[in-house]
Amino acid sequence: EDKVVQSPLSLVVHEGDTVTLNCSYEVTNFRSLLWYKQEKKAPTFLFMLTSSGIEKKSGRLSSILDKKELFSILNITATQTGDSAIYLCAVDMDSNYQLIWGAGTKLIIKP
Amino acid sequence: GAVVSQHPSRVICKSGTSVKIECRSLDFQATTMFWYRQFPKQSLMLMATSNEGSKATYEQGVEKDKFLINHASLTLSTLTVTSAHPEDSSFYICSARRLAGGARKDGYTFGSGTRLTVV
Repeated sequence: EDKVVQSPLSLVVHEGDTVTLNCSYEVTNFRSLLWYKQEKKAPTFLFMLTSSGIEKKSGRLSSILDKKELFSILNITATQTGDSAIYLCAVDMDSNYQLIWGAGTKLIIKP
Repeated sequence: GAVVSQHPSRVICKSGTSVKIECRSLDFQATTMFWYRQFPKQSLMLMATSNEGSKATYEQGVEKDKFLINHASLTLSTLTVTSAHPEDSSFYICSARRLAGGARKDGYTFGSGTRLTVV
């Protein structure tokens, strides 16, 4: 059964801390892994990862994929209260036209 | 855990025909269902929000007569693309908000998406 598992389910840290969110997957035909940030109703695209070991970076956010161990991490450094959100991971399956979603990690940044 | 089943996963239709996409919450009651369009490497674009038993609320710029949403029960919502045209080709995703009291009060469960191609 195809599945995507995110951990932790929730995380509370203080402003300035660094956080690492995890996403592991077991799918039959992996094409890419996507990270989104959801603050309100519509998830905002963060990264798409297709190759192992290549870090993608955007400001304080970065992500990397390990296709051998079947996981990805999303790092946020120097966290700010505006980083509070649900972070979603999804795997795009080649030829199946499906996205398999993780349950999300709810991140709360305290001032 | 909470699962939303979305069907079909892929559909090809001719211009002018209508296509219905279904989303079912399998083990929880979804009082609110969201419908999105997604373009490659882009954020999900919210199209409409539907609450069980009431009319859907459409986002600005989304034609409600073209994208008909029905949320007749707590476990089923449908999106019908009427008189489809090639520009409607896209990836459509639903998301259900779980009733308060579930494992994640403010969590969303996403369907696996429907890739619509209009030829």
